[in-house]
Amino acid sequence: EDQVTQSPEALRLQEGESSSLNCSYTVSGLRGLFWYRQDPGKGPEFLFTLYSAGEEKEKERLKATLTKKESFLHITAPKPEDSATYLCAADTGNQFYFGTGTSLTVIP
Amino acid sequence: NAGVMQNPRHLVRRRGQEARLRCSPMKGHSHVYWYRQLPEEGLKFMVYLQKENIIDESGMPKERFSAEFPKEGPSILRIQQVVRGDSAAYFCASSPQATNEKLFFGSGTQLSVL
Repeated sequence: EDQVTQSPEALRLQEGESSSLNCSYTVSGLRGLFWYRQDPGKGPEFLFTLYSAGEEKEKERLKATLTKKESFLHITAPKPEDSATYLCAADTGNQFYFGTGTSLTVIP
Repeated sequence: NAGVMQNPRHLVRRRGQEARLRCSPMKGHSHVYWYRQLPEEGLKFMVYLQKENIIDESGMPKERFSAEFPKEGPSILRIQQVVRGDSAAYFCASSPQATNEKLFFGSGTQLSVL
């Protein structure tokens, strides 16, 4: 069964304290691994797409990496405005399978 | 260039009533996806449509739920005879082509069934 699992469910960081979020996937035929950010009461906002193992993408304090079984979202020196739920999704060509997300809180 | 527009933002229905959720995709996008999100759960795929066609409805409940994307006008997700378990946030997303492309999401419709 196609499945995406994210960990941890929730993460509290002090401002400036770097960490990583994990996304493990078990899907048949991954065509792309997507990361989204979701703020309360809003729809997910696209961050990155990764297509092959070894690929990395960066945007400001965020860096996404991909292996054959999982993806990591690394957050370097986070700020309070980075607080949100981060979702990953696996595209199999038929549909996107979303994880349940990691709720990140960055404390000033 | 407006993003994906969903309305209403909040919809309250009593058990047994009908709910109609609307989604206008981004300009130039002909692919629409509907997702349901429950608290503490991930986004669950419901249905994928192109103009006038349902491509994949494997995530749609067999009864009471239907979706359409007419040639003109928004995509509609229709829930007949709503029950309390239908209460959730319903998100619409659009893309310019089928998969392998990022999805652009609307702000969602929060359905509450009393």
